[in-house]
Amino acid sequence: TQLLEQSPQFLSIQEGENLTVYCNSSSVFSSLQWYRQEPGEGPVLLVTVVTGGEVKKLKRLTFQFGDARKDSSLHITAAQPGDTGLYLCAGARGAQKLVFGQGTRLTINP
Amino acid sequence: GAVVSQHPSWVICKSGTSVKIECRSLDFQATTMFWYRQFPKQSLMLMATSNEGSKATYEQGVEKDKFLINHASLTLSTLTVTSAHPEDSSFYICSARGGSLSGNTIYFGEGSWLTVV
Repeated sequence: TQLLEQSPQFLSIQEGENLTVYCNSSSVFSSLQWYRQEPGEGPVLLVTVVTGGEVKKLKRLTFQFGDARKDSSLHITAAQPGDTGLYLCAGARGAQKLVFGQGTRLTINP
Repeated sequence: GAVVSQHPSWVICKSGTSVKIECRSLDFQATTMFWYRQFPKQSLMLMATSNEGSKATYEQGVEKDKFLINHASLTLSTLTVTSAHPEDSSFYICSARGGSLSGNTIYFGEGSWLTVV
């Protein structure tokens, strides 16, 4: 049973389009992190959200933490080929280990 | 920011031998480190939690005698794959939890490719 359901798992769109990746759970998390991973490299932290309802922006990326702290979304505006990669959400409960979603493999076609 | 470094980045070993992978936190002390395994095109699978000065906590289904973890200092954890077999070939990634000053954020190493031939 996957504790964090991430969707879609694969997404291929054209440059300039917008997209949203979802991360859902029935469990409450104290914080949720979004990572991006390139092939053959470790995940790189994009953002950490902590407060229910929190919204953080990182250039064209907008991250939102659900009010109940059970879900999160990543929205990319005007996607570019450089956004191609594996996006991972991971939830934490206090100081315990991170639980990862299945990942979203994003391909932006020029 | 915080940096976690893994060594080696890639290693090839013969079947039946053991190989050690190091995970270091370079500019902060990490009482807790985590070891993951990642298969191609899949997400990260947590193998074990490494606690400084005590035994590691292994996830269900992970053989503790095969994947030996030692967290001897606040900046170093090692994963030793013993009697490696081709099915152990994978991408192994470690992460370390920063202290309260960094909001307990978890930082990842660059990963280590293991190929068993």
